Amino acid sequence: DTGVSQDPRHKITKRGQNVTFRCDPISEHNRLYWYRQTLGQGPEFLTYFQNEAQLEKSRLLSDRFSAERPKGSFSTLEIQRTEQGDSAMYLCASSSPSSGRGEQYFGPGTRLTVT
Amino acid sequence: LAKTTQPISMDSYEGQEVNITCSHNNIATNDYITWYQQFPSQGPRFIIQGYKTKVTNEVASLFIPADRKSSTLSLPRVSLSDTAVYYCLVASNRDDKIIFGKGTRLHILP
Repeated sequence: DTGVSQDPRHKITKRGQNVTFRCDPISEHNRLYWYRQTLGQGPEFLTYFQNEAQLEKSRLLSDRFSAERPKGSFSTLEIQRTEQGDSAMYLCASSSPSSGRGEQYFGPGTRLTVT
Repeated sequence: LAKTTQPISMDSYEGQEVNITCSHNNIATNDYITWYQQFPSQGPRFIIQGYKTKVTNEVASLFIPADRKSSTLSLPRVSLSDTAVYYCLVASNRDDKIIFGKGTRLHILP
């Protein structure tokens, strides 16, 4: 296991469709984060899991967004009824309890284009 | 989390040392300073982290003065491949939550 993986890497969908992204963290990491990044901006925090518990959600995460981490391993982020404004790079990161202090390891991201 | 301020962009030449300064006037006692690097279409990559004085690793050095209200990321002898966005962040030692700003776009010229 060499790092955080995300699938798919690219997704093109039509407005109104649902999409789901998957993140596999580094195996010994119990914390998992989702971010969204648009062109020219830094990543924006969406939500955070410690094991299977979702501990924090940003107000950016509207009701159309839902994230799960059912067994404390991989996580999914679903967007329902996609809108053009959802077009962005969705990043996943993980960290271990022994790191802390902002040391997170990011995956390559899933680029979503809503047409 | 303390807000950070850093230059929007910088240019430098191959072989030069590049210093990017970040201000974090409201840093708290429990906060650490962390820097990330991001290439286009990739996720950010953790570079270095420090609390005070100087930290050095194989990639960069981080200088933090005694008052900790600013920090400087130093990249020795940059190459074209160091062209990227560099983010300065402040994070508590109690958790991993981090807030990204817009970062500094570093452009290395031949």
